[in-house]
Amino acid sequence: DAKTTQPTSMDCAEGRAANLPCNHSTISGNEYVYWYRQIHSQGPQYIIHGLKNNETNEMASLIITEDRKSSTLILPHATLRDTAVYYCIVRASFSGNTPLVFGKGTRLSVIA
Amino acid sequence: EAGVAQSPRYKIIEKRQSVAFWCNPISGHATLYWYQQILGQGPKLLIQFQNNGVVDDSQLPKDRFSAERLKGVDSTLKIQPAKLEDSAVYLCASSFGGGRNTEAFFGQGTRLTVV
Repeated sequence: DAKTTQPTSMDCAEGRAANLPCNHSTISGNEYVYWYRQIHSQGPQYIIHGLKNNETNEMASLIITEDRKSSTLILPHATLRDTAVYYCIVRASFSGNTPLVFGKGTRLSVIA
Repeated sequence: EAGVAQSPRYKIIEKRQSVAFWCNPISGHATLYWYQQILGQGPKLLIQFQNNGVVDDSQLPKDRFSAERLKGVDSTLKIQPAKLEDSAVYLCASSFGGGRNTEAFFGQGTRLTVV
């Protein structure tokens, strides 16, 4: 079973920042937080991952609370192409081949 | 670099028929996964390969589903006989594995409709 809790859906105005929350209160010390998204009719796409420090890449920023029990994915300037289901996943870090366990994710709708 | 290739993209079959899906992972990726995604749900792991060996097939319905990865590269997933509840998107993913903490790359999936 997924170890994360996310809101079912969210809306965001185009050009504004989209902040997607995730709760993972039972996360273990060796588990990373991963974010994937799935655009309609496509396979999931990797966005970002982190352990305890905040992370940023060309797609998004990941903010992890100090106690690591929750995190927020930030899309700084959402566009219509960011409309997708966003999955927050915790994954053990000791092996690069640990499978991803998906929950139901958050359906983000970016509105013009 | 080329992504994960899957075929066919769509398949419609009658219940009790058999069907097979094919996956070609990213070159050099030792780990290969098959996921099943029912409409409105997140993907669910069916089976994981490391090279040509099975790592985890605990959620594979072995009475009707089978998968193989001969030579540790391409993989096929078969359903025989299909049931109505097998209607879903079947996703293949691959990752480098080998102890590196790295992301998995997904194909576009095969959408199966059982009628």
